[in-house]
Amino acid sequence: TQLLEQSPQFLSIQEGENLTVYCNSSSVFSSLQWYRQEPGEGPVLLVTVVTGGEVKKLKRLTFQFGDARKDSSLHITAAQPGDTGLYLCAGEGETSGSRLTFGEGTQLTVNP
Amino acid sequence: GAGVSQSPSNKVTEKGKDVELRCDPISGHTALYWYRQSLGQGLEFLIYFQGNSAPDKSGLPSDRFSAERTGGSVSTLTIQRTQQEDSAVYLCASSLIGITYEQYFGPGTRLTVT
Repeated sequence: TQLLEQSPQFLSIQEGENLTVYCNSSSVFSSLQWYRQEPGEGPVLLVTVVTGGEVKKLKRLTFQFGDARKDSSLHITAAQPGDTGLYLCAGEGETSGSRLTFGEGTQLTVNP
Repeated sequence: GAGVSQSPSNKVTEKGKDVELRCDPISGHTALYWYRQSLGQGLEFLIYFQGNSAPDKSGLPSDRFSAERTGGSVSTLTIQRTQQEDSAVYLCASSLIGITYEQYFGPGTRLTVT
């Protein structure tokens, strides 16, 4: 069974601060996705990383896929209250096809 | 274009009753997934449909849970003899099958069993 561990589980910061969320596994993934979920809504896809060592930027968000494709990180620069939400990583296993393995999520609160 | 829709958005039911939750995936998406999410937690995989293949039911927690997908489109998740521990948000997602399997989620159905 493939597992994805996210850390931290909870994060509360002030507007303008930087933060990093981690997603780790002992398994190799073909790709890894990051989602953000707001209360009362379903998760929304932010980015997909496919290549080991890949870095993708989405405005103030930077996503990195580990060289060995076992881990990923999400870095937010100058966080804003609108960044508040549950951040989920999800990995596509090399043999699991389209069934994704989700991490437990990081609940981020950005205080004004 | 329309996204994934789910109905009802909220469902309150008494313990022991059966419930049906509906999911309308994005048109043309061949894969459909059901997940369960407890408050503020990650997603628990329930079942996966892909085209005409037999569904992957390995995540269903008990035989009280079942799902079907008619005509390769709409799906219904049925929970029989509901228990209080079934209370959660049930999320449906759909995706195209390609190089990566990016999933598009509906807003979920919040189920409360009293």
